[in-house]
Amino acid sequence: TQLLEQSPQFLSIQEGENLTVYCNSSSVFSSLQWYRQEPGEGPVLLVTVVTGGEVKKLKRLTFQFGDARKDSSLHITAAQTGDTGLYLCVDRGGTGANNLFFGTGTRLTVIP
Amino acid sequence: DAGVTQSPTHLIKTRGQQVTLRCSPISGHKSVSWYQQVLGQGPQFIFQYYEKEERGRGNFPDRFSARQFPNYSSELNVNALLLGDSALYLCASSKTSRSTDEQFFGPGTRLTVL
Repeated sequence: TQLLEQSPQFLSIQEGENLTVYCNSSSVFSSLQWYRQEPGEGPVLLVTVVTGGEVKKLKRLTFQFGDARKDSSLHITAAQTGDTGLYLCVDRGGTGANNLFFGTGTRLTVIP
Repeated sequence: DAGVTQSPTHLIKTRGQQVTLRCSPISGHKSVSWYQQVLGQGPQFIFQYYEKEERGRGNFPDRFSARQFPNYSSELNVNALLLGDSALYLCASSKTSRSTDEQFFGPGTRLTVL
């Protein structure tokens, strides 16, 4: 059974600071997604990465996929209060299956 | 365009009761998936339905069942509720059942079992 561990579990920072959260898998990702879930809402897709070593940027967010496709990091530059939420890494199902396998999550709080 | 809608938003039940949760997908989406999110954890896959047929099932007991209707809406049923069934139940829709299709999540139904 695949294990998807995220760290840290909780993170509280001041507005304007930088941060990095991590996702590690016990097995190779089929493809990796990052979602953000705000209180009272469902998860929203931020990015999908497929190729080992791939780096994608989304405004102040930088996503990196490990060369061996077993780990990933999400870096946020100059955090804003709107970045507050639960960040989830996900292994998107392979072999045609469309079931998402979620990590344990990092709960980020950005303090004004 | 309306996103994925779920009802009810909150629900309180007692142990042993049965519950039905409802989901309406985005217009044009034919696949619906259900996830359970226990407090402090990531969502866990329960079922996927596409064109009214079950396409995938997660590691949940037979007390959990679902169905999809001709209009692609879906219901999740849980029988003989246990305290441990307390969770946020999320529905997600996608155009097809392909793994490359993005899934769009609804806001969830918060179930509390007393």
